[in-house]
Amino acid sequence: EAGVTQFPSHSVIEKGQTVTLRCDPISGHDNLYWYRRVMGKEIKFLLHFVKESKQDESGMPNNRFLAERTGGTYSTLKVQPAELEDSGVYFCASSQAKGPNTEAFFGQGTRLTVV
Amino acid sequence: AQSVAQPEDQVNVAEGNPLTVKCTYSVSGNPYLFWYVQYPNRGLQFLLKYITGDNLVKGSYGFEAEFNKSQTSFHLKKPSALVSDSALYFCAVRDDSNGGYNKLIFGAGTRLAVHP
Repeated sequence: EAGVTQFPSHSVIEKGQTVTLRCDPISGHDNLYWYRRVMGKEIKFLLHFVKESKQDESGMPNNRFLAERTGGTYSTLKVQPAELEDSGVYFCASSQAKGPNTEAFFGQGTRLTVV
Repeated sequence: AQSVAQPEDQVNVAEGNPLTVKCTYSVSGNPYLFWYVQYPNRGLQFLLKYITGDNLVKGSYGFEAEFNKSQTSFHLKKPSALVSDSALYFCAVRDDSNGGYNKLIFGAGTRLAVHP
């Protein structure tokens, strides 16, 4: 069974440009989460999809970030325009989460560097 | 507010010795606690979780964690460290707001270095 897949694995862009990150969750997982780790600090929650609906986007830092999950399968996270402080590792996770006794499966992350 | 603290940025252990990676938490209700590991150039991998029941939880790769309610701790342990255990370890607690079972609050991570 394929795990959570993210790409690109690395992206280097200039300040002001646009970048789109993609996450393919484990097949059949309705729940999809985005997290990011900035400058070696804590991994922080960004948002949570249940199928194609945004369940919780309380962690999105500002309106330069836009997440979508059309059709309830893969998800994209777009940063437009990118700023220097957006640099970090963006993780995606998915879970079936039919109840509390569950864990999420994470992808390898996308390392974003804004210069 | 819920939070997780990993007081050590790095832990150094000799191969074959026992290891402990510390984690303390602060939650308003019952804690749901997790340990994840990140090997170089890899994603986060689930190690173990505490939901309820026995305070000693066994997980992958020979790791275990002890839940201590009075000390609000969930330290990760292994009786005999391997060089291949060298990685970045994250403790996390479930954030119960908005009903997401895997909305997690992570600690800053502890880098474990096991020396031959």
